[in-house]
Amino acid sequence: GENVEQHPSTLSVQEGDSAVIKCTYSDSASNYFPWYKQELGKRPQLIIDIRSNVGEKKDQRIAVTLNKTAKHFSLHITETQPEDSAVYFCAPDNFNKFYFGSGTKLNVKP
Amino acid sequence: EAQVTQNPRYLITVTGKKLTVTCSQNMNHEYMSWYRQDPGLGLRQIYYSMNVEVTDKGDVPEGYKVSRKEKRNFPLILESPSPNQTSLYFCASSLGLAGDNEQFFGPGTRLTVL
Repeated sequence: GENVEQHPSTLSVQEGDSAVIKCTYSDSASNYFPWYKQELGKRPQLIIDIRSNVGEKKDQRIAVTLNKTAKHFSLHITETQPEDSAVYFCAPDNFNKFYFGSGTKLNVKP
Repeated sequence: EAQVTQNPRYLITVTGKKLTVTCSQNMNHEYMSWYRQDPGLGLRQIYYSMNVEVTDKGDVPEGYKVSRKEKRNFPLILESPSPNQTSLYFCASSLGLAGDNEQFFGPGTRLTVL
């Protein structure tokens, strides 16, 4: 199956700073690259996704960049706020299956 | 309201006692899936289904069964639960026949097997 790695596993930033989380995957056949946010005690929710024919996608303070050649994609959060504190997961598809990364715990300090 | 529901939300059982966790979605989604979440391991896919009567193994299918007799329902069955199946379980669904769409997750079922 797909080998998915996320880095860092924990990230602590000051409110207003930027945060970047990187996800590497092993299977070049992957074509869909989502990021999910999971707040404490809640279910995961999609925050942004990108498909393989696009290099970058933005949605207000959140962006995702994709490098298919190097097999990695990254989540960028600008102007972080305390409500961004959560665990973030990448989950590239692989022939209709999903392999989630182990998660990045983001702590935004006010 | 568009949603994915799971029942029960919490379950404590004993080794070997068969159980079923139900999952239902009202969004007419084709794709449904079950995950288990364990600390430090992220979410791991157990089984998925791309349509009625079409199911396939995910990354960790051992000890689990599923069925998809109706589009809206996708129950997870543990025929003989063991303590290593103690976990948080999520059901999810998405539009489209393939998996390349947003997945909507249910609220989760916390299972403890003694």
